[in-house]
Amino acid sequence: QVQLVESGGRLVKPGGSLRLSCAASGFTFSDYYMTWIRQAPGKGLEWVAYIGSSGNTMHYAESVKGRFTCSRDNTQRLLYLQMNSLRAEDTAVYYCARFGGPSFPYNWFDRWGQGALVTVSS
Amino acid sequence: QSELTQPPSVSGAPGQRVTISCSGSSSNIGADFDVHWYQVVPGTAPRLLIYGDNNRPSGVPDRFSGSKSATSASLAITGLQAEDEAEYFCQSYDSSLRGWVFGTGTMLTVL
Repeated sequence: QVQLVESGGRLVKPGGSLRLSCAASGFTFSDYYMTWIRQAPGKGLEWVAYIGSSGNTMHYAESVKGRFTCSRDNTQRLLYLQMNSLRAEDTAVYYCARFGGPSFPYNWFDRWGQGALVTVSS
Repeated sequence: QSELTQPPSVSGAPGQRVTISCSGSSSNIGADFDVHWYQVVPGTAPRLLIYGDNNRPSGVPDRFSGSKSATSASLAITGLQAEDEAEYFCQSYDSSLRGWVFGTGTMLTVL
């Protein structure tokens, strides 16, 4: 069955860096666009970034542009989110999710991981 | 700041019907971008409930249904069950932001 498992979440100081990973299984990873979505404590969901199936196309939310980088390794079935210059407002549970739907950008997110908690605090 | 507005909470007794609204604008729902709905239970993977305005993925009970009109959408849940207690989010695409947007979220309490 389709499974997405995030890892790498931890406590980090403001200005620090962190890389999240998402291990995919149960589907042909290289066929799918993938995305990162976060939920800050007590807040709603926020789309963060997406990456195309081959890794050549990325797009970021304004709130993270220039600080976060999304990448993937299709041979290892891994999705990454490199987060630099972290701020307190980046504190959130970060989910990786798979794009659903045949027509961009009418997409939905059909499979999600359980999330990784990133806490930015001194 | 979310571009899609939902009521903070709704509640209903077991067996009843509840609806959750999702209000957008001319750059997202009103631009005819599809609306999708998710169920989020803390500590678990969010679950896709409705895609493409009114379609259910396999495994989602037909107690869940979606609709869309103009700049708004709704999720209806009939025959409420205790297991439906969760937070629900709508989602669409916003052409002004050039990104996917989620609603503010609605907590459903089954009384």
